[in-house]
Amino acid sequence: DTAVSQTPKYLVTQMGNDKSIKCEQNLGHDTMYWYKQDSKKFLKIMFSYNNKELIINETVPNRFSPKSPDKAHLNLHINSLELGDSAVYFCASSPAQGRYGYTFGSGTRLTVV
Amino acid sequence: SQQGEEDPQALSIQEGENATMNCSYKTSINNLQWYRQNSGRGLVHLILIRSNEREKHSGRLRVTLDTSKKSSSLLITASRAADTASYFCATDPLGGSARQLTFGSGTQLTVLP
Repeated sequence: DTAVSQTPKYLVTQMGNDKSIKCEQNLGHDTMYWYKQDSKKFLKIMFSYNNKELIINETVPNRFSPKSPDKAHLNLHINSLELGDSAVYFCASSPAQGRYGYTFGSGTRLTVV
Repeated sequence: SQQGEEDPQALSIQEGENATMNCSYKTSINNLQWYRQNSGRGLVHLILIRSNEREKHSGRLRVTLDTSKKSSSLLITASRAADTASYFCATDPLGGSARQLTFGSGTQLTVLP
């Protein structure tokens, strides 16, 4: 059983399009996160959700919007995609904010052309 | 901003040798965590050390923490080719109502057979 699953694994799309990445965790964790990993492997927190409440929103363009229909899901919607959005996006979950290890999904490689 | 900085950025050793990676951080922490990322995969949690701990072991891994120097080290003993991966430290910063794990820049470890 996959603990944190995200789909799709690869996403190639044109500039200006709108796309979504889905994430689901079956661990019963309270908090879910989205991280962006750039080409130099730097990982940057984008969002986290705790009990359906947005807790962290770093300096991310408002073209990015997290949507959490329930505690087990945190989807990422991106409007008007730009070339600079190309990266690997990771979903993760944890029992509580920062106090325990995170469980990561396998990532979604987004390429904007 | 990147909280942690790993050193070295890249490390190449022979199978059977020990590998040591260092991490420095800037602010006070609740805990520090180490993760491994194989090429094209998600991050895997390895070990967590709390701010009141100085050393922790898990199998072939040994982590030390020096809060006075704001640094940590990860030692992998008797390395194997399968240990080839990127290793990241991540810090859970002290204080604030919404904590987040902040990742370092990573060390690329290559273990040669």
